[in-house]
Amino acid sequence: GQQVMQIPQYQHVQEGEDFTTYCNSSTTLSNIQWYKQRPGGHPVFLIQLVKSGEVKKQKRLTFQFGEAKKNSSLHITATQTTDVGTYFCAGQQTGANNLFFGTGTRLTVIP
Amino acid sequence: GAGVSQSPSNKVTEKGKDVELRCDPISGHTALYWYRQSLGQGLEFLIYFQGNSAPDKSGLPSDRFSAERTGGSVSTLTIQRTQQEDSAVYLCASSLFGRDIQPQHFGDGTRLSIL
Repeated sequence: GQQVMQIPQYQHVQEGEDFTTYCNSSTTLSNIQWYKQRPGGHPVFLIQLVKSGEVKKQKRLTFQFGEAKKNSSLHITATQTTDVGTYFCAGQQTGANNLFFGTGTRLTVIP
Repeated sequence: GAGVSQSPSNKVTEKGKDVELRCDPISGHTALYWYRQSLGQGLEFLIYFQGNSAPDKSGLPSDRFSAERTGGSVSTLTIQRTQQEDSAVYLCASSLFGRDIQPQHFGDGTRLSIL
């Protein structure tokens, strides 16, 4: 079955440092989405990528979709304490009805 | 209400009892998903509803789990003869329908604890 793995599982950074989380799928994806879940909260949609090699930016966040559409990354520049939370990627296999969520990366930002 | 509404927010019950969880999606969202999230873990897909189509039940972990969606809106997830391993947060999400899965809007979840 499809698996979506994320690394690292945890990341502690000093405020102002950069952060990257990587997402890898065992199968080609038609669509990948990223979500952020604050402690005690529910996942909130950040971005959707559908094209091979696509790069999208949201202020300090940069999202990439790999050329083979099997991997993706989220990079945060100059982290802030408001970036704290768990970041999940979620991939859709072509023709599937559901998203497979990655294992998540929990980000802690030390002031 | 603009968001996805779930009830109850917390449920504590004894092993062996049945529980029913409710989800009220965003108006106009024809796609509805149920997920389960164990402590510190990712989201596990349970079931998907789209309009009047037959639901995709491929993620349900056992025949003790079932779900309905009445009138294309409110959905209920029922767990019969609950077990301790059923303890988790059950999240509902809704979205518009498209060729690709559209961004999902999550409710606050129901935290289920089985004693």
